[in-house]
Amino acid sequence: AQSVTQLDSHVSVSEGTPVLLRCNYSSSYSPSLFWYVQHPNKGLQLLLKYTSAATLVKGINGFEAEFKKSETSFHLTKPSAHMSDAAEYFCVVSEGYSSASKIIFGSGTRLSIRP
Amino acid sequence: DTAVSQTPKYLVTQMGNDKSIKCEQNLGHDTMYWYKQDSKKFLKIMFSYNNKELIINETVPNRFSPKSPDKAHLNLHINSLELGDSAVYFCASSPYEGYEQYFGPGTRLTVT
Repeated sequence: AQSVTQLDSHVSVSEGTPVLLRCNYSSSYSPSLFWYVQHPNKGLQLLLKYTSAATLVKGINGFEAEFKKSETSFHLTKPSAHMSDAAEYFCVVSEGYSSASKIIFGSGTRLSIRP
Repeated sequence: DTAVSQTPKYLVTQMGNDKSIKCEQNLGHDTMYWYKQDSKKFLKIMFSYNNKELIINETVPNRFSPKSPDKAHLNLHINSLELGDSAVYFCASSPYEGYEQYFGPGTRLTVT
């Protein structure tokens, strides 16, 4: 069965320090994986996506994620946090590109940035 | 131009009423979705439409019904509103089922 687990509900880092948001997934097939960001009172915005090409994916705003099949992980990282990164982050797994595809959202990780 | 738009942004109504939320996308995408986000930020997919065909119909009450007059629009009708329907509802679109999604700004529904 397809599932996605975001291991931390809340992460707090200091401005200028690295960010790590963890995501593990399970899938019966080769999945597509996404990270979305939601700023307060806003809709979700795509940060980056993995669709079976390069395992290291670069996204917007300096974020990147590495697909590790052996660990079934797709962790999101950023070398240096900025105050504007404070938001809710969602890891998403999608299985298939047809009417049978399933899309599962993680429960979200709230990222706080300390000055 | 806004890629995915929703109206209204806020909706306050009483229990038992019927209401609709409209969604439009100008991206030429084939698939559109409706999501419900609860107070804990948990996102639940409610429906998706691909070329006006319902693909996913999760276990939502039949008081909720999606209606798609054309590929660019997917409206959400809710009958006999209940307190538990209070949430933020997001519309989204994607080029094809399973691809990345583009979200609207959300509609905050409050049922009193």
